[in-house]
Amino acid sequence: DGGITQSPKYLFRKEGQNVTLSCEQNLNHDAMYWYRQDPGQGLRLIYYSQIVNDFQKGDIAEGYSVSREKKESFPLTVTSAQKNPTAFYLCASSTQGKDTQYFGPGTRLTVL
Amino acid sequence: GESVGLHLPTLSVQEGDNSIINCAYSNSASDYFIWYKQESGKGPQFIIDIRSNMDKRQGQRVTVLLNKTVKHLSLQIAATQPGDSAVYFCAENQAGTALIFGKGTTLSVSS
Repeated sequence: DGGITQSPKYLFRKEGQNVTLSCEQNLNHDAMYWYRQDPGQGLRLIYYSQIVNDFQKGDIAEGYSVSREKKESFPLTVTSAQKNPTAFYLCASSTQGKDTQYFGPGTRLTVL
Repeated sequence: GESVGLHLPTLSVQEGDNSIINCAYSNSASDYFIWYKQESGKGPQFIIDIRSNMDKRQGQRVTVLLNKTVKHLSLQIAATQPGDSAVYFCAENQAGTALIFGKGTTLSVSS
């Protein structure tokens, strides 16, 4: 089956620790995205990448980092500099920037 | 900055009714719009999209209408079912980089 996978589904982290969220797609999409969703809110863009080895900051990139070493993978690191990291994180991909984005199942991160 | 908004945060309907979810956008340069459905604890699921050169597009039980004059987008769901209960987001693609999402409308269907 083709699709986008995110792991883990639930993640718990102590304050001061960095944590990396995984996102993999086998859709042969060029573009990948990370969004953050808070309760009752819409999605806010963290980072996006339109091609391997290139990525751009979104609206709320502070405290986050990404890499795009492979077309299939776009991991997101939530660093200790992120003040309020508890949220639902969604990864998406599309063939190109103007095309429909397809989402993964999400990772719920809780900071203890 | 410019953003996509929604008229109502919640909508309650009876099973079998038709539902209409509205969305207003502010950027007249936006040329691509998408409706997503998000169930609790899951990622958004693509429902239907429309490009700015169209006024209407139909899918299975869903229709999207685009009124560029007043910058308004709507999603119509025919014969609403309990399984349609979810949060519905509209999104616009302005510059071909990433989508801008509204806050969402929660649709509740009672049987």
